Amino acid sequence: EVQLLESGGGLVQPGGSLRLSCVASGFTFKSHTMTWVRQAPGKGLERVSGITGSSGSTYYADSVQGRFTISRDNSKNMLSLQMSSLRAEDTAVYYCVKGGTGTPLDSWGQGTLVTVSS
Amino acid sequence: EIVLTQSPGTLCLSPGERATLSCRASQSVSSSYLGWYQQKPGQAPRLLIYGASSRATGIPDRFSGSGSGTDFTLTISRLEPEDFAVYYCQYYGSSPLTFGGGTKVEIK
Repeated sequence: EVQLLESGGGLVQPGGSLRLSCVASGFTFKSHTMTWVRQAPGKGLERVSGITGSSGSTYYADSVQGRFTISRDNSKNMLSLQMSSLRAEDTAVYYCVKGGTGTPLDSWGQGTLVTVSS
Repeated sequence: EIVLTQSPGTLCLSPGERATLSCRASQSVSSSYLGWYQQKPGQAPRLLIYGASSRATGIPDRFSGSGSGTDFTLTISRLEPEDFAVYYCQYYGSSPLTFGGGTKVEIK
C-alpha cells in the first residue's frame, strides 16, 4: 500500500521560511515523479512543484518560482519542499503526491497546513 | 498553459440520479493525460479516472469518463450517498499541470 506522510507545516510570519517533508513507502520511490499540490482554504487545487525520479528535472509554478525549492533523497524515500519569503497567499494545505507530468496523481498524502500570518 | 473549465459549478441531485460533469480544455489535449479526482470535505483528493476513461484501482464502475480533444465528461451513473463531493479534472500531459476549478455535487 502506498503511503505518503507529510510533516513540517505550521504558522510562520510573512517573509519567513519553512521546510516540508514527505516520507514515502509502498512503492519504488526513485522511479516516480513526485509533486507538491496545495489548496488554499475554500479554494481549488494548484500544482506547486514537481521533481522527476532521478531529480534530473524540477518544475515550479510561476507563483513560487525563485522562492520554493523542491528536492528528494531517494536513499531515504523522502521528498522535501523548502519554502522561503513566504506570503499570506501561500497559506494552504500542502499535499505530497505520487505522479506528475506524464503520469496521473495516483496517491496523495493527508496534507500539512501552512499558515502565513503575523 | 492548458486552462480547464469545469461546469456546472454546482450540481444538485438526489441519490440514485445520474450526474454528468463537464471539463473543457482551452486547446485540444491528448486524452491519454486527462484525469478526474474526487475530494470530500477534510480529505485529500482521490484519483478516479486517468487517461480520460480508465478507472483507477478500486473505483466503482458507476464512475465513467469519456471525451476527446477539448471536451471531457465524468458520469456517475447512479449517485450513492458517498459520492456527494467536489470533482476536479486535471491535465498532466505537460507542465504546468493544471486543474479545473471543480464541480460540487451536492444533495438536492
